[in-house]
Amino acid sequence: SQQGEEDPQALSIQEGENATMNCSYKTSINNLQWYRQNSGRGLVHLILIRSNEREKHSGRLRVTLDTSKKSSSLLITASRAADTASYFCATSREYGNKLVFGAGTILRVKS
Amino acid sequence: DTEVTQTPKHLVMGMTNKKSLKCEQHMGHRAMYWYKQKAKKPPELMFVYSYEKLSINESVPSRFSPECPNSSLLNLHLHALQPEDSALYLCASSPQQPPGFRQPQHFGDGTRLSIL
Repeated sequence: SQQGEEDPQALSIQEGENATMNCSYKTSINNLQWYRQNSGRGLVHLILIRSNEREKHSGRLRVTLDTSKKSSSLLITASRAADTASYFCATSREYGNKLVFGAGTILRVKS
Repeated sequence: DTEVTQTPKHLVMGMTNKKSLKCEQHMGHRAMYWYKQKAKKPPELMFVYSYEKLSINESVPSRFSPECPNSSLLNLHLHALQPEDSALYLCASSPQQPPGFRQPQHFGDGTRLSIL
């Protein structure tokens, strides 16, 4: 079952612009992860933020986590055509190996 | 190139066939996963193996039968599938996840399965 929702469902921007995707979840978590999936490929891990962290950076990626609102956002700065993909958030709880994915955002970056 | 290898990349089978999907990793990970992904949907967890033992079965129909012969290999045996089982089947692996120390999963590129 899906943990929560992501918005927007689809996002189309010009190369060089920033892209922001949001994720909401329903239960308490140990961490929240973001994955990218290119068409016809598997998922690639982008960044992990733990429940006691509020913000994390990795290259052009910035992730925030608000556990009081059960929400997270992923910001991609200075987007490139190669960033065109589906982006999923996924939550992990304290015990067990289970990851639960959000519905995903389809990002299209036009060159 | 991904570190998790899945074969075959594509599979077409009839509803009465028996086939198997294979997944292999050499990263020393002791947790391995099968996911099912329909078009434009997120992956849905099917099974989790931890130290070669089945630890999670997400109420998957018995026509899907997982097997973990050793710490590097994961199989998914298919029998008498239905057209609605057509999907992308993804394998993933991770280090074993002690409480409070969750780590990312590494995914293969999947097997695209079509049931005729």
